[in-house]
Amino acid sequence: DTEVTQTPKHLVMGMTNKKSLKCEQHMGHRAMYWYKQKAKKPPELMFVYSYEKLSINESVPSRFSPECPNSSLLNLHLHALQPEDSALYLCASSHAGRGNYEQYFGPGTRLTVT
Amino acid sequence: AQSVTQPDIHITVSEGASLELRCNYSYGATPYLFWYVQSPGQGLQLLLKYFSGDTLVQGIKGFEAEFKRSQSSFNLRKPSVHWSDAAEYFCAVLLRGSYGGSQGNLIFGKGTKLSVKP
Repeated sequence: DTEVTQTPKHLVMGMTNKKSLKCEQHMGHRAMYWYKQKAKKPPELMFVYSYEKLSINESVPSRFSPECPNSSLLNLHLHALQPEDSALYLCASSHAGRGNYEQYFGPGTRLTVT
Repeated sequence: AQSVTQPDIHITVSEGASLELRCNYSYGATPYLFWYVQSPGQGLQLLLKYFSGDTLVQGIKGFEAEFKRSQSSFNLRKPSVHWSDAAEYFCAVLLRGSYGGSQGNLIFGKGTKLSVKP
């Protein structure tokens, strides 16, 4: 099973709201990722967690706050977003450590900030 | 700097015709290369990957890709396209972590949109 699930599928939020995106995998992967994809653009990496610790933060604004509560779950907490943050947010996972591992993506959460 | 170039923004092929999508990369070390496919509003599905070894790699859905180090290319091919193959295709190279681990940043090309004529 190579499934990564994401909830919700769609989210509309105002600029003063607080919301969270959720990602889950049961493939035993110990690396998890958040990517942001604007319309007609490729995905861009936001964060990487490795063994439940944040290992890469690609200079993402603090209004995005990631959390990895356990090896299967990855959250992205959203607060005070701007309309330009509207995008498809993709979660991915892979094995971690030394080796050659591919990333598996979830279906994404389509976020609209009004 | 590491980068991936997909020269074709949009390609249209007839159903049943052969397909080749081009990908060129710039990477200092041995590249780890991938092709992903994305249907509208969906996530990315891994088609195939190249880490080392045989330069012709087979993937899902009848796709294959050939790694050519001398040309810094990793072109995707399919001998006979089906209407369901219409989608956006992304080539990507993995920037490996500083400690040699493979969890790192996937650098994507800008994508090639494939349309299929009946």
